Amino acid sequence: AQTVTQSQPEMSVQEAETVTLSCTYDTSENNYYLFWYKQPPSRQMILVIRQEAYKQQNATENRFSVNFQKAAKSFSLKISDSQLGDTAMYFCAFMNPPSGGGADGLTFGKGTHLIIQP
Amino acid sequence: EPEVTQTPSHQVTQMGQEVILRCVPISNHLYFYWYRQILGQKVEFLVSFYNNEISEKSEIFDDQFSVERPDGSNFTLKIRSTKLEDSAMYFCASSERSANYGYTFGSGTRLTVV
Repeated sequence: AQTVTQSQPEMSVQEAETVTLSCTYDTSENNYYLFWYKQPPSRQMILVIRQEAYKQQNATENRFSVNFQKAAKSFSLKISDSQLGDTAMYFCAFMNPPSGGGADGLTFGKGTHLIIQP
Repeated sequence: EPEVTQTPSHQVTQMGQEVILRCVPISNHLYFYWYRQILGQKVEFLVSFYNNEISEKSEIFDDQFSVERPDGSNFTLKIRSTKLEDSAMYFCASSERSANYGYTFGSGTRLTVV
């Protein structure tokens, strides 16, 4: 079974700083998908960024980027120029290649509570 | 922006009672999911649903659970005889394309079994 580990239960940085959230995972698969989800205090989880394991290029979405190290099974999230609205729980998640129906489940890490201080 | 809507936001039920958690996925989405998060623990996959049938389910999703899409818009999770350990946040999600493109989650229903 796949496991996802987020070793930082909580992080706090000043506004405008850059912060990196770590995530490691364990799998025997060669092709898979990785995600970062953000859960603000309102509780709805929002997809931040996704990475396909067969792509070597790191995914980027505006201020959010990942450092995907396949050999090390590491998938960290970097948030540049952090903003107060970035305060949230951040979950790293793993998915196997889609099976026949394509409706596959995610394996989540325990999350990192990121606090952006003014 | 389209949203996944879950009702109620909080439900309290007595142990042994049946509960139905309701979700309205985004209208053009084809894939539907339920997850739960026990307080202080990981978000856990329960079940996925596609083409009017269960596509995948986890070990958690035993015979006390069932899902249904009764009318083409709602997607429900039924827990037949609730136990104290069923107390959790239950999240519904949907996706337009296959799951590897990512989901849209609802805000969750907090179920408290007393």
